Amino acid sequence: DTEVTQTPKHLVMGMTNKKSLKCEQHMGHRAMYWYKQKAKKPPELMFVYSYEKLSINESVPSRFSPECPNSSLLNLHLHALQPEDSALYLCASSQDPGQCWEQYFGPGTRLTVT
Amino acid sequence: GDSVTQMEGPVTLSEEAFLTINCTYTATGYPSLFWYVQYPGEGLQLLLKATKADDKGSNKGFEATYRKETTSFHLEKGSVQVSDSAVYFCASNTGRRALTFGSGTRLQVQP
Repeated sequence: DTEVTQTPKHLVMGMTNKKSLKCEQHMGHRAMYWYKQKAKKPPELMFVYSYEKLSINESVPSRFSPECPNSSLLNLHLHALQPEDSALYLCASSQDPGQCWEQYFGPGTRLTVT
Repeated sequence: GDSVTQMEGPVTLSEEAFLTINCTYTATGYPSLFWYVQYPGEGLQLLLKATKADDKGSNKGFEATYRKETTSFHLEKGSVQVSDSAVYFCASNTGRRALTFGSGTRLQVQP
């Protein structure tokens, strides 16, 4: 099974709201990722978790706050977002950080900030 | 730094035509190479991969060969179908960070 699940599928939030995106994998992967994808563009890396610890933050604004409660779960907490943050947010996982493994992606959360 | 370059799209083909999408990479070290496909409104699906020079990845009629001498990983399919219409991303991974993606190539297959 190579499934990564994400909830919710769609999210509309105002600029003063607080919401969270959730991601789950049961493949025993030890690296998990958050990407942001704008229309007609490739995914842009936001965060990397390696063995449940944050290893890479691509200078993402603090209104995005990642969390890795355990090896299977990854959350992205959102607060005071801007309309330009509207995008598809993708979660991915891979077997072992620091190696050239493929990443498996979830279906994404389509976020609209109003 | 690492980079991946793909041919600009959209690529428009008739059903049963031959497909080639060019991809070249630059990397320090020996990356693994991947093709991902993204259907409208969905996430990315791993289509195929190759981990070393001269490896051929294949899946669902698609193929790509890791050519170290030309730093290329071109995607090919002998006979495309309407259902192959999607965006295709070439990507590399040297293990130092995360995937490095190309800009994506949109494929439109007409009946």
